[in-house]
Amino acid sequence: GNSVTQMEGPVTLSEEAFLTINCTYTATGYPSLFWYVQYPGEGLQLLLKATKADDKGSNKGFEATYRKETTSFHLEKGSVQVSDSAVYFCALIDSSGTYKYIFGTGTRLKVLA
Amino acid sequence: DVKVTQSSRYLVKRTGEKVFLECVQDMDHENMFWYRQDPGLGLRLIYFSYDVKMKEKGDIPEGYSVSREKKERFSLILESASTNQTSMYLCASSFLAGTSYEQYFGPGTRLTVT
Repeated sequence: GNSVTQMEGPVTLSEEAFLTINCTYTATGYPSLFWYVQYPGEGLQLLLKATKADDKGSNKGFEATYRKETTSFHLEKGSVQVSDSAVYFCALIDSSGTYKYIFGTGTRLKVLA
Repeated sequence: DVKVTQSSRYLVKRTGEKVFLECVQDMDHENMFWYRQDPGLGLRLIYFSYDVKMKEKGDIPEGYSVSREKKERFSLILESASTNQTSMYLCASSFLAGTSYEQYFGPGTRLTVT
């Protein structure tokens, strides 16, 4: 079946450091891929998405590229801020027409000033 | 902006009580979802609905039921609350944006069953 695997957290970085959060997936066909962010005490917010191979999603300085050959969708940011501290979820929706998302377990990011 | 609201942010109930969690979305979305979020387990789908009065079981429906009488409202019901249902409950709605569905989440309800 479909699945999403994320790197375990927590990830602790200093402000202005480079961020990578790894995400790999297993799916049939050509899923759409997403990153969601959850700030403390809030629900999940869509951060970025990519719907086909080699697409790059970007938002608020975050980027992720849909790599079909490695089945990956790693999240990157060149210079993190304290305000980026949150839990990040990788997710997919498969191409069969289902409405259901498959989420990873989440990676907590803590950015220190 | 899409707005998904949940009736309570925090709720404390006793074992055996019947519990209702309400979710309302204001963007005319067809699809609505209930998840529970637990540390180390991520989000697990309880039920979803793709139309009024339609519902489908997710991955962990046991102990839960749902109701969708109006398009904008999706209710999660715990028939007889148990301590293992203490969790964060997240509601979401989704729509087709281009070629894929995008989900929008409410702020969550943290339920404690004592």
